[in-house]
Amino acid sequence: EVQLVESGGGLVQPGRSLKLSCAASGFTFSNYYMAWVRQAPKKGLEWVATISTSGSRTYYPDSVKGRFTISRDNAKSSLYLQMNSLKSEDTATYYCARHGNYYDGTYYHWYFDFWGPGTMVTVSS
Amino acid sequence: DIQMTQSPSSMSASLGDTVTITCLASQDIGNYLSWYQQKPGKSPKLMIYGATNLEDGVPSRFSGSRSGSDYSLTINSLGYDDEGIYHCHQYYEYPFTFGSGTKLEIK
Repeated sequence: EVQLVESGGGLVQPGRSLKLSCAASGFTFSNYYMAWVRQAPKKGLEWVATISTSGSRTYYPDSVKGRFTISRDNAKSSLYLQMNSLKSEDTATYYCARHGNYYDGTYYHWYFDFWGPGTMVTVSS
Repeated sequence: DIQMTQSPSSMSASLGDTVTITCLASQDIGNYLSWYQQKPGKSPKLMIYGATNLEDGVPSRFSGSRSGSDYSLTINSLGYDDEGIYHCHQYYEYPFTFGSGTKLEIK
C-alpha cells in the first residue's frame, strides 16, 4: 500500500525557515517524480514544487522560486521541502504527492496519484 | 500561466441525480487534465487523469470528457459519499495550475 506521511510543520515567524519531510513507503520511491502541493485555509490547491527521479531536475512556480528548495533522498525514500524567507501567504497545509507515470505514447502524464495527509504550516508573528 | 476556470463554485443535488462540473482552460492543454475529490479535512483523491481515464478503484459512475477547451466531470447516480470538493488540474505545462474547486452538497 502506497503511503506518504509528511512532518515538520508548525508555527514559524515571517522571514524564518522551516524544513518539511515526507516519508514514502509501499512503492519504489526512486522510480517516481514527486511533488509538494499546498492549500491555504479555505482556499484551492497550489502546486509548489516537483523533483525528478534522480533529483537532478526541479521545478517551481514563481511564487516560491528562490525561497523554496525541493530535494529527495532515494536511499531513505524521503522527500523534503526547505522553505526560507517565509511569508504570511505561505500559511497552508502542505501535501506530499506522487506524480503518476502514465505514458500515452507521446508524453508522460504528470497528475498526482497519491497524496499524504498533509502538514500545517502557519507563518505568523 | 494557464488559467483553469472552474464552475460552478458550489452546487446542491439530490440522491440519484446526475451532475456535471466544468473547467475551461485558458489555452490548449490537450488531454493533460485530472480531477480530484477532497473530503473535509482530508487530502485530495485522484478520480480522473488524461481527461477521460478513470483511476483504479473509482466507481464507473464518474466520467470525464472534453469538448475543445472545456473539460467536464460527470457523476451519475449521486450518493452521499460523493459529497465534497472537486478540483481540476492541468499538467500540460509548468506551472501546474488548479481550478478554484466546486463544492458539491447532497440534499
